[in-house]
Amino acid sequence: QLQLQESGPGLVKPSETLPLTCTVSGGSISDAAFYWGWIRQPPGKGLEWVAKISYSGGTYYNPSLRSRATISLETSKNQFSLKLSSVTAADTAVYYCARRHSGRVDPWGQGTLVTVSS
Amino acid sequence: QSALTQPPSVSGSPGQSVTISCTGTSSDVGGYNFVSWYQHHPGRAPKLMIYDVAKRPSGVPDRFSGSKSGNTASLTVSGLQAEDEALYYCNSYAGTNDFVFGTGTKVTVL
Repeated sequence: QLQLQESGPGLVKPSETLPLTCTVSGGSISDAAFYWGWIRQPPGKGLEWVAKISYSGGTYYNPSLRSRATISLETSKNQFSLKLSSVTAADTAVYYCARRHSGRVDPWGQGTLVTVSS
Repeated sequence: QSALTQPPSVSGSPGQSVTISCTGTSSDVGGYNFVSWYQHHPGRAPKLMIYDVAKRPSGVPDRFSGSKSGNTASLTVSGLQAEDEALYYCNSYAGTNDFVFGTGTKVTVL
């Protein structure tokens, strides 16, 4: 059974770069049929895609974040990562990693809370 | 892309049915049959309940069903059970590898 687990710093200072990693177990990220990505939920707000990437190299970035977000695959570790630069309080959110296949997102990780504060 | 519109909350007694609407536009819900629904118990991973408008993944009870008419998709939970109390989000393809989520609906079992 495929499982995803996020890891991250929990607390990041404003203007710094937020690094997040998703470890995939029970399956390989080297399958070209899937996109692997990050979804976030700010406190009291809805869900939004941050970025996603396929094994073949296709990427998608939320237009509102494109200039600050970088997503990458680390196939040797069966992981994928997100870096979000120049963070502000507006980037405070629960960040989920997930797999997208066609029109569905499944499975999701449990999420990791990231707070941007000095 | 604007978020799809869902009612903030719906409620029903055990055994009853509730329906959650998800309203978009012809550029998302109305334009593609890639609507999915997710159940989210806070602190846990969101769970796929319906995909491609009306398909149920293996293991999801048949009490959950999906449909679409025009620019509005719907999720119906029949035979409501206490464990169904959760947040529910819809999601739709919106073109150019873009997907948009709904605003979320809290289902309360009375």
